Amino acid sequence: DAGVTQSPTHLIKTRGQQVTLRCSPKSGHDTVSWYQQALGQGPQFIFQYYEEEERQRGNFPDRFSGHQFPNYSSELNVNALLLGDSALYLCASSLGLAVLQETQYFGPGTRLLVL
Amino acid sequence: DQQVKQNSPSLSVQEGRISILNCDYTNSMFDYFLWYKKYPAEGPTFLISISSIKDKNEDGRFTVFLNKSAKHLSLHIVPSQPGDSAVYFCAASGSQGNLIFGKGTKLSVKP
Repeated sequence: DAGVTQSPTHLIKTRGQQVTLRCSPKSGHDTVSWYQQALGQGPQFIFQYYEEEERQRGNFPDRFSGHQFPNYSSELNVNALLLGDSALYLCASSLGLAVLQETQYFGPGTRLLVL
Repeated sequence: DQQVKQNSPSLSVQEGRISILNCDYTNSMFDYFLWYKKYPAEGPTFLISISSIKDKNEDGRFTVFLNKSAKHLSLHIVPSQPGDSAVYFCAASGSQGNLIFGKGTKLSVKP
């Protein structure tokens, strides 16, 4: 049973570029959340997708957008990259919206470096 | 403004001794708290949780204590083992169903 997978594992971009990160949820899960973990910080909630719609959103600008596909996989898109977007991006999956938080499973993350 | 604070960036303990990791929060509306463990190159994994209606929850070597009046919780690991060496995150369940994390404490357990 595959857990949460993310691709790519590492990525280097330059300021102003756009990036797309991908996440496949754990088998049987239908909800995907994205978090940004900057160096020395804890993960920060970006947004959550369920039934192909953004359901909740944290305090992130519109440059951060996402998508969920019918197979429940998800993409995180960041436009007009800034140096401060350099971080580890974590994807977490769960079953349904109203769940205990401990049933969220995290992927290993994608490390993005913006130069 | 950090709503969940872990003021100790690192902690070093001897194998077999107790590890105590601390966490403070500012929002009295938080009613569910979790601890996650994170190894390098892996995502956080759930360790233990506690509801605000309890003041203690125990799972094997791990115990979480909650002091609501002080808005403080702590994670006790007894006895500590070298495999416990990792970054530990305290998190609160937000009103949107999201997790609000502290900055983490890096625990090193020395043999």
